[in-house]
Amino acid sequence: DARVTQTPRHKVTEMGQEVTMRCQPILGHNTVFWYRQTMMQGLELLAYFRNRAPLDDSGMPKDRFSAEMPDATLATLKIQPSEPRDSAVYFCASGLPDREAFFGQGTRLTVV
Amino acid sequence: GQNIDQPTEMTATEGAIVQINCTYQTSGFNGLFWYQQHAGEAPTFLSYNVLDGLEEKGRFSSFLSRSKGYSYLLLKELQMKDSASYLCAVRDNDYKLSFGAGTTVTVRA
Repeated sequence: DARVTQTPRHKVTEMGQEVTMRCQPILGHNTVFWYRQTMMQGLELLAYFRNRAPLDDSGMPKDRFSAEMPDATLATLKIQPSEPRDSAVYFCASGLPDREAFFGQGTRLTVV
Repeated sequence: GQNIDQPTEMTATEGAIVQINCTYQTSGFNGLFWYQQHAGEAPTFLSYNVLDGLEEKGRFSSFLSRSKGYSYLLLKELQMKDSASYLCAVRDNDYKLSFGAGTTVTVRA
């Protein structure tokens, strides 16, 4: 049962702390997306990768967010330092270029 | 960039039909997707259109007109479990996938 796996599922942290979210894409998928979802903004694309190379990260606040793919089985999204406005659900999705994207269950981040 | 518009909310009765419209403007088009998202869960794929016309999958159908920048998702024989948010998404020529704000559908008995 292939699925996108995200860890942690929930994270509560204090303002100023570093947060790292991890995503294991479905094996064989070469496109990976990071989205942030809030009630106010909906699903915002933060960054996406093709064959581990970043194609577009214009949706990310560059001063505090970074996204990487150390290898084909792992994508990471880091926030340093975190702020209360970063509280949201962060989704990772993976897919093949001509197919639909599959979403992980998300990481619910609360920054207090 | 991409601009994707869909209604915020719709309400319908169990057993009825609801049509959710989506209009888009994009710098390059390479497919339109519909996803369903129940509260507290991840979006799940419903349908995909890349050519003009209607795609049917059971109770759900999706239509695309590329010249008009328009799509709709048709939900037939509504069931209570269809109460969810429905997200329209557009893929551009760089395979960037962007989403509309979503339409919350409430099905009433």
